[in-house]
Amino acid sequence: DGGITQSPKYLFRKEGQNVTLSCEQNLNHDAMYWYRQDPGQGLRLIYYSQIVNDFQKGDIAEGYSVSREKKESFPLTVTSAQKNPTAFYLCASSALPQGLSNQPQHFGDGTRLSIL
Amino acid sequence: DAKTTQPNSMESNEEEPVHLPCNHSTISGTDYIHWYRQLPSQGPEYVIHGLTSNVNNRMASLAIAEDRKSSTLILHRATLRDAAVYYCILRVQHSGNTPLVFGKGTRLSVIA
Repeated sequence: DGGITQSPKYLFRKEGQNVTLSCEQNLNHDAMYWYRQDPGQGLRLIYYSQIVNDFQKGDIAEGYSVSREKKESFPLTVTSAQKNPTAFYLCASSALPQGLSNQPQHFGDGTRLSIL
Repeated sequence: DAKTTQPNSMESNEEEPVHLPCNHSTISGTDYIHWYRQLPSQGPEYVIHGLTSNVNNRMASLAIAEDRKSSTLILHRATLRDAAVYYCILRVQHSGNTPLVFGKGTRLSVIA
């Protein structure tokens, strides 16, 4: 089945360490997104990419980095500069718009990151 | 994206219809109304979207007010599996892909 795979499901990080969250999609979607969700809150955009080798910062990009070397992969690195990284991280993808209507975004099941 | 307002929480009995409201008084003529829902410990999933006319799909119906300043997501028969947070999101009609802007949504509880 086509979909988005995020791994690992749970991740623990020591303070001062960088960690990379994986996101892979086999939907042949051009656009991919990373969101962060804190308890009881909606999702906030970290980074997004509309095509390979190009990406844009979202509302809370500080302390995070991404790469988009392949269409199907959009890994997110949480650096030691991110002061409060404990959160639920969600990756999404979407196809090119049909006409002027945005296409739905498809989400993975998330990675829950905690600081030890 | 324009702002939406939703109740924090709602409750429904199982097998009864549920009407989830959303106010978007500052909507522009090029904004589509999208609904997503998020089950516990999962990523959001797309439910439905529309521009001006009411829309139906296998999951739900979307009723859009004539002035487009409000809309209602209708679940025709709530099941326990429909317990989730429902997000109403406005998306600008655009030639490219744009990220979603999430509010806090409405937490729907379904009582057996």
